Amino acid sequence: DTAVSQTPKYLVTQMGNDKSIKCEQNLGHDTMYWYKQDSKKFLKIMFSYNNKELIINETVPNRFSPKSPDKAHLNLHINSLELGDSAVYFCASSQVLAGSLSTDTQYFGPGTRLTVL
Amino acid sequence: DQQVKQNSPSLSVQEGRISILNCDYTNSMFDYFLWYKKYPAEGPTFLISISSIKDKNEDGRFTVFLNKSAKHLSLHIVPSQPGDSAVYFCAASASSNYKLTFGKGTLLTVNP
Repeated sequence: DTAVSQTPKYLVTQMGNDKSIKCEQNLGHDTMYWYKQDSKKFLKIMFSYNNKELIINETVPNRFSPKSPDKAHLNLHINSLELGDSAVYFCASSQVLAGSLSTDTQYFGPGTRLTVL
Repeated sequence: DQQVKQNSPSLSVQEGRISILNCDYTNSMFDYFLWYKKYPAEGPTFLISISSIKDKNEDGRFTVFLNKSAKHLSLHIVPSQPGDSAVYFCAASASSNYKLTFGKGTLLTVNP
């Protein structure tokens, strides 16, 4: 009964390829996020969607394109993968938007470890 | 530009003792602070939070203290248990924006 799920858990691919990571939440939350945890272990926000609308885009290269077909899903598509894209990508969701009047807890998925060779 | 800093990469304590994890921040606009716990190969899980209008919040064995003038918060775990061994992330948000800013994490090891 996973609250926030991501697929795949591991992804190994060649430089230049295009890949997607899927995220689904069954919590009925309005807001979903993508974070990147790089080799230095920093967890950094990449995107945030609220009710399928893009709210945050943290100067991520446009090779990264999030897609939210509905409130429960936020997929991440990455074009022309580069070595520096290797990281763990976490999806998260919350009932309200972080930074709004009553910041709510963000629930994280298990992460997708992307390795670009 | 690290706005949330956890200067201790690791901490080791004995079971039953107190664990104190520290976090400093630089952005005075932050008004909500959270602690997350992360086990290997899992996503971070929410532990406890505190609003800037408070200086203490307690939940069972976990207490978070906030010192706004020093821009410092700490997480106290007492008594520490081996199952508490994990990476602890401090995070902060501001009402003026819509994101959580995380620290680098502190690896806590509780020895039996």
